Amino acid sequence: KQEVTQIPAALSVPEGENLVLNCSFTDSAIYNLQWFRQDPGKGLTSLLLIQSSQREQTSGRLNASLDKSSGRSTLYIAASQPGDSATYLCASARSGYSTLTFGKGTMLLVSP
Amino acid sequence: DGGITQSPKYLFRKEGQNVTLSCEQNLNHDAMYWYRQDPGQGLRLIYYSQIVNDFQKGDIAEGYSVSREKKESFPLTVTSAQKNPTAFYLCASSRGQGINQPQHFGDGTRLSIL
Repeated sequence: KQEVTQIPAALSVPEGENLVLNCSFTDSAIYNLQWFRQDPGKGLTSLLLIQSSQREQTSGRLNASLDKSSGRSTLYIAASQPGDSATYLCASARSGYSTLTFGKGTMLLVSP
Repeated sequence: DGGITQSPKYLFRKEGQNVTLSCEQNLNHDAMYWYRQDPGQGLRLIYYSQIVNDFQKGDIAEGYSVSREKKESFPLTVTSAQKNPTAFYLCASSRGQGINQPQHFGDGTRLSIL
């Protein structure tokens, strides 16, 4: 059974700081690794999807990396802004399965 | 605008009552999913459907039922057999029948017990 862990559970940083969110998974036989953002009381918004054959994906100030051998992915946020405050969840899609396994998320607060 | 619509936003259930949560998408996606989210927890999969008239149980299907009679609709019924139904319910959809496409989410339904 796949288990996905996100550390830290919560993070508070001042505006402008670069930060890294961590995601680890127990089964390295994955199809892809996905990062989502969730605002309070809302659904999830897909941020980045890294295929198993890729090492990283970038979108604007966001960069996600994937290291299958170590079972880890990181989400790097450059020059953080108060609007980045949200919960960030990662999810893995295991090879041979049709569903995602989610971590519990990292709650990020960026202070002005 | 294409997207996923969940209704109602808030729902209250009495003891012994079945309630149905609506999920409609106009993205022409083949796959649809229902998740449950509890405070401080990740999402747990209840049911999913990759094609019309077919659906599969997820990790926590007991006490829930679904139907997929139309491509754009995937309603979830929370039955009286679900003893702890208070949670935030999220519906999602994705292109194709596999898991290699991003999932698009609705804004959720919050279910509470009276």
